[in-house]
Amino acid sequence: GDSVTQMEGPVTLSEEAFLTINCTYTATGYPSLFWYVQYPGEGLQLLLKATKADDKGSNKGFEATYRKETTSFHLEKGSVQVSDSAVYFCALSAPNRNNRLAFGKGNQVVVIP
Amino acid sequence: DVKVTQSSRYLVKRTGEKVFLECVQDMDHENMFWYRQDPGLGLRLIYFSYDVKMKEKGDIPEGYSVSREKKERFSLILESASTNQTSMYLCASSSHRDFSGELFFGEGSRLTVL
Repeated sequence: GDSVTQMEGPVTLSEEAFLTINCTYTATGYPSLFWYVQYPGEGLQLLLKATKADDKGSNKGFEATYRKETTSFHLEKGSVQVSDSAVYFCALSAPNRNNRLAFGKGNQVVVIP
Repeated sequence: DVKVTQSSRYLVKRTGEKVFLECVQDMDHENMFWYRQDPGLGLRLIYFSYDVKMKEKGDIPEGYSVSREKKERFSLILESASTNQTSMYLCASSSHRDFSGELFFGEGSRLTVL
């Protein structure tokens, strides 16, 4: 079935460091791909998305490129801030799944001043 | 702004009690979802509904039921709470007609079953 795999474990890094969170997917057809973010004490919110191969989603300095050849959608940010500390979820929506999303397990990101 | 409101942020219940978690959205969305979030397991879909009185099982429906009597409201019911249902419960909604992949989430209800 459709699934998303995120890299294991929390990510701890210093302010202004480069952030990468890996995400790979398995799906039939041509899914849409998403990154959601959950700030402490809040629900999830959409961070960015890409709906077809080679699309790049971007928002708040974060970017991710839909790579069909490697079935990946890695999240990157060039210079993180303390306010980026949150949990990040990769997700996919496959065609004919009645608007259901499949989520990865999430990665806790902690940015230290 | 879209608003998804969950009735309780924190609940503490005893084993065997019946538990109701309420969710209301104000965007006239057709789709509504209940997820549970557990450390290391991410989000798992319990039930979803794509119309009033319509429901479908998600990935982990056992021990749960749902009710959707009005379009804006989607309730999650634990008929007899057990300790393994201690978790964070997240409600979400989306538009079916204009689905862009964006789910709108509530702030969550943290349930502890003793």
